[in-house]
Amino acid sequence: QKEVEQDPGPLSVPEGAIVSLNCTYSNSAFQYFMWYRQYSRKGPELLMYTYSSGNKEDGRFTAQVDKSSKYISLFIRDSQPSDSATYLCAMSAGRGSTLGRLYFGRGTQLTVWP
Amino acid sequence: DAMVIQNPRYQVTQFGKPVTLSCSQTLNHNVMYWYQQKSSQAPKLLFHYYDKDFNNEADTPDNFQSRRPNTSFCFLDIRSPGLGDAAMYLCATSRGTSGGETQYFGPGTRLLVL
Repeated sequence: QKEVEQDPGPLSVPEGAIVSLNCTYSNSAFQYFMWYRQYSRKGPELLMYTYSSGNKEDGRFTAQVDKSSKYISLFIRDSQPSDSATYLCAMSAGRGSTLGRLYFGRGTQLTVWP
Repeated sequence: DAMVIQNPRYQVTQFGKPVTLSCSQTLNHNVMYWYQQKSSQAPKLLFHYYDKDFNNEADTPDNFQSRRPNTSFCFLDIRSPGLGDAAMYLCATSRGTSGGETQYFGPGTRLLVL
């Protein structure tokens, strides 16, 4: 079983739709949860960062973490064509760990069409 | 702007011909990472440097080497590229290696092996 599972999609939605992206994980030691956005042929850029369980909102983006279910989500409201990219979830263990290794999902490819 | 820079953006090499990829950073971060990312896959950590200390992943082939001559620069050397080494190579940096440290990625170098 992989540490982090993410449906690769592709996911195609019309402009203005609400998008839900999800990852599940198996390691209960994960404490930090991130979403990276990767445009085609570019490097990943950090989009959202959350610690432990709960919600975090930043503009049209909301990240949710449910540690009891080992499930994280990224919601995009009022999606735009410029949101078309691959979204990678990533997570790492607590500060006591010897290496803040990032465990990535394989990414979900999202296309928002006008 | 502080950033992570990778050169070249695209590299074509021949089977078995050594190739070097370059990464530089203006963030003054202690840690520099090299990842390999194949199409529709999660980035795979190859190794990282904490300052001058080199840390190799157990499953990184010997064909891959790295050098970090100073804080700002890090190189990835592929001694004898095979067709299976064609991928996007991502450089990333972070301040430290404890859990929760944010990693900042460069734009990547896409390697093609003929």
